[in-house]
Amino acid sequence: GAVVSQHPSRVICKSGTSVKIECRSLDFQATTMFWYRQFPKQSLMLMATSNEGSKATYEQGVEKDKFLINHASLTLSTLTVTSAHPEDSSFYICSASGGAHEQYFGPGTRLTVT
Amino acid sequence: QKEVEQDPGPLSVPEGAIVSLNCTYSNSAFQYFMWYRQYSRKGPELLMYTYSSGNKEDGRFTAQVDKSSKYISLFIRDSQPSDSATYLCAMNNAGNMLTFGGGTRLMVKP
Repeated sequence: GAVVSQHPSRVICKSGTSVKIECRSLDFQATTMFWYRQFPKQSLMLMATSNEGSKATYEQGVEKDKFLINHASLTLSTLTVTSAHPEDSSFYICSASGGAHEQYFGPGTRLTVT
Repeated sequence: QKEVEQDPGPLSVPEGAIVSLNCTYSNSAFQYFMWYRQYSRKGPELLMYTYSSGNKEDGRFTAQVDKSSKYISLFIRDSQPSDSATYLCAMNNAGNMLTFGGGTRLMVKP
């Protein structure tokens, strides 16, 4: 149980374009979903927290207009990187929580902006 | 000072060794403690989840929490090359926001 999927697993896009990443909880309802960013050999950096039907709460320093998060249902959250630039290249990971204390992570999406 | 400290390693051990991974923390309100395993270029996988102090065992893995010392450990018995990964400790006191350690990279050599 507690499976979280992410799509796509890898994406390459041109600078200036937008990219959408999907995060789904497959076998439970996720009241809260989280989006993280991870640079090589570094720990997870929380970007934002989203509750179903509510606006996302962004961490300090994360541009909400650049990283659009939508949590439209209890099983789906999306992260859209708008007007992507090479410095946005990173590993993006979502996680989901069903209301308990633990989080279950997706497999991650590697974004490369050329 | 970070809220959760974890030695980054790398920790290199021979196959079959007992591995001890540790985290210290400063927030005495933390009550829920987790260990995640992360393989390279993959998302973290929840290994162990404990509440308050004490031990919890699952197969070759044992999680230990000492709240009086603000110290948690993960022991891996009979370590295998497939255990080579980065291990992240995480904790919280209420709700589902987690505070992570920086991760320890473990290498188990055949």
